[in-house]
Amino acid sequence: GESVGLHLPTLSVQEGDNSIINCAYSNSASDYFIWYKQESGKGPQFIIDIRSNMDKRQGQRVTVLLNKTVKHLSLQIAATQPGDSAVYFCAENPSTGKLIFGQGTTLQVKP
Amino acid sequence: EAGVVQSPRYKIIEKKQPVAFWCNPISGHNTLYWYRQNLGQGPELLIRYENEEAVDDSQLPKDRFSAERLKGVDSTLKIQPAELGDSAVYLCASSLMGQGSGNTIYFGEGSWLTVV
Repeated sequence: GESVGLHLPTLSVQEGDNSIINCAYSNSASDYFIWYKQESGKGPQFIIDIRSNMDKRQGQRVTVLLNKTVKHLSLQIAATQPGDSAVYFCAENPSTGKLIFGQGTTLQVKP
Repeated sequence: EAGVVQSPRYKIIEKKQPVAFWCNPISGHNTLYWYRQNLGQGPELLIRYENEEAVDDSQLPKDRFSAERLKGVDSTLKIQPAELGDSAVYLCASSLMGQGSGNTIYFGEGSWLTVV
């Protein structure tokens, strides 16, 4: 079936460095993607989204890149902070309205 | 503005007992979702409502799970009887509209169920 997956289950970075979290999706017809951050004991929190007619979108300290040719999505976090430690999920939101999540990448920020 | 509100936050029950979760979506959001998240996994959709109508319940185990959204606002999710494998986080979410892309889905904090 359809699935959205992440390349690495865990990513460890030094505080102040940039982080890059990757995601591969399988549904070439998907036209909208979202990154969520989930801290321990909390629900997923919306970070940033991107439509398929774009290849880059920037937010505050975060950038999402979309490569439709290889069906790849990435989340870049600039100057990673301890508060960025969490599990990050990419999700595909096709026109059916059904959000499909990947497995998640745990970001660990070392002080 | 309040986000998606869920209760209870935590629940521990014995197997074969019933349990119910309640959700109040963001004001004005027509679409409500219930997701289940197992440990270490991403959330998976159980049911989606557009107003009062369940438009996608294909992943809801209907033998023991039921849900309702009678007035198109609050929703409850019930499990009866609960099984050990039902231990998970039950997430409620809402969006302004369900159909079409670009409708951001906002999640509540989840109801953490442990079945013993």
